Amino acid sequence: EVQLVETGGGLIQPGGSLRLSCAASGFTVSSNYMSWVRQAPGKGLEWVSVIYSGGSTYYADSVKGRFTISRDNSKNTLYLQMNSLRAEDTAVYYCARVRRGVIDYWGQGTLVTVSS
Amino acid sequence: QLVLTQSPSASASLGASVKLTCTLSSGHSSYAIAWHQQQPEKGPRYLMKLNSDGSHSKGDGIPDRFSGSSSGAERYLTISSLQSEDEADYYCQTWGTGIGVFGTGTKVTVL
Repeated sequence: EVQLVETGGGLIQPGGSLRLSCAASGFTVSSNYMSWVRQAPGKGLEWVSVIYSGGSTYYADSVKGRFTISRDNSKNTLYLQMNSLRAEDTAVYYCARVRRGVIDYWGQGTLVTVSS
Repeated sequence: QLVLTQSPSASASLGASVKLTCTLSSGHSSYAIAWHQQQPEKGPRYLMKLNSDGSHSKGDGIPDRFSGSSSGAERYLTISSLQSEDEADYYCQTWGTGIGVFGTGTKVTVL
């Protein structure tokens, strides 16, 4: 059974850093495209970042230069390092698996609140 | 630029059917999409992948009441025999240059 479990969210001050983790089971992270998607309160879904099976990474313009996606193959875990956080980064962050261009599994999400 | 357009809202009575539309921007009419459901206060759930020829593959445990079809640049999600738990936001999603793209979502209200 495929499962994605995100951890690491919380309350952080503007300008701070946070690292989200997504522990995967039932499949191999490194063999798939993996993504982070976020949803600000009352808003729609926004694609944040993706890491390809080959290791290439892509980011939304809104987070480019501040966020870094990575994975630990030995732990079968995906990460999102978030630096220089802003109030507008406040959102629920979801980890997702991508197969042939579509998300086919989602995690339950972790809430990040950026506020002083 | 790849854009997915969805109507903001739709409604239908309990037990009736509703058909949602996701329109691909010009030049992208051959793209496959996915439909995702997000019930209130929950995370999204993958419903199905829908190809340009109308063929589709559903996610685990998705009821037969959910079906997909295509016509040109339009991708449809039809929910038959509407139930109260179908009241949710529905997002279409596809793949752009390097990264994915979401539509703005359609809120379905069951009357």
